[in-house]
Amino acid sequence: EAGVVQSPRYKIIEKKQPVAFWCNPISGHNTLYWYLQNLGQGPELLIRYENEEAVDDSQLPKDRFSAERLKGVDSTLKIQPAELGDSAVYLCASSEGGFYNEQFFGPGTRLTVL
Amino acid sequence: KQEVTQIPAALSVPEGENLVLNCSFTDSAIYNLQWFRQDPGKGLTSLLLIQSSQREQTSGRLNASLDKSSGRSTLYIAASQPGDSATYLCAAGGDRDDKIIFGKGTRLHILP
Repeated sequence: EAGVVQSPRYKIIEKKQPVAFWCNPISGHNTLYWYLQNLGQGPELLIRYENEEAVDDSQLPKDRFSAERLKGVDSTLKIQPAELGDSAVYLCASSEGGFYNEQFFGPGTRLTVL
Repeated sequence: KQEVTQIPAALSVPEGENLVLNCSFTDSAIYNLQWFRQDPGKGLTSLLLIQSSQREQTSGRLNASLDKSSGRSTLYIAASQPGDSATYLCAAGGDRDDKIIFGKGTRLHILP
């Protein structure tokens, strides 16, 4: 069974540029999460989807971040414009049947903003 | 607001020793607690998930326990091996606010 797929694995951009990350969850997993992880820290939730509905986006900086999961399968996270402080690893995870269940993570996208 | 703490931040032990990693949480109203390992530059790998009604879970050389009343979980690793070297993170799922809060992790180094 394929795991959570993320692309790209690495991205280097200059500040004020836009960037997008893509995630394909494990087949059949209706819950999808986007996390941000800074060096030496645990992941922090940005947004959680149940199917195509964003049920928790309270930690998403909505002035520059946006996300979508149009058909309830794969998802895209966008930053526009990027700032120096956005440099971090962006992790996608999925779980089956809601957030009470085990989460499985993708390899992450390491973003560097210059 | 839930806070999750993992102490120590780093740990080095000789190969073959049994060891315990600690995770504490401030709000006992959790629905589950999950342990992960993270290798450098990689995503998180799920190790064990303990539901709030359970006291422990076991997988191979790993055993995780949960004591909600004291706000603690431990991950026991038996007969440690160099391949166990990684960062171990715990995450508590909140029953009040449906938030999943991670600790900062314990960096484990097993000395050959």
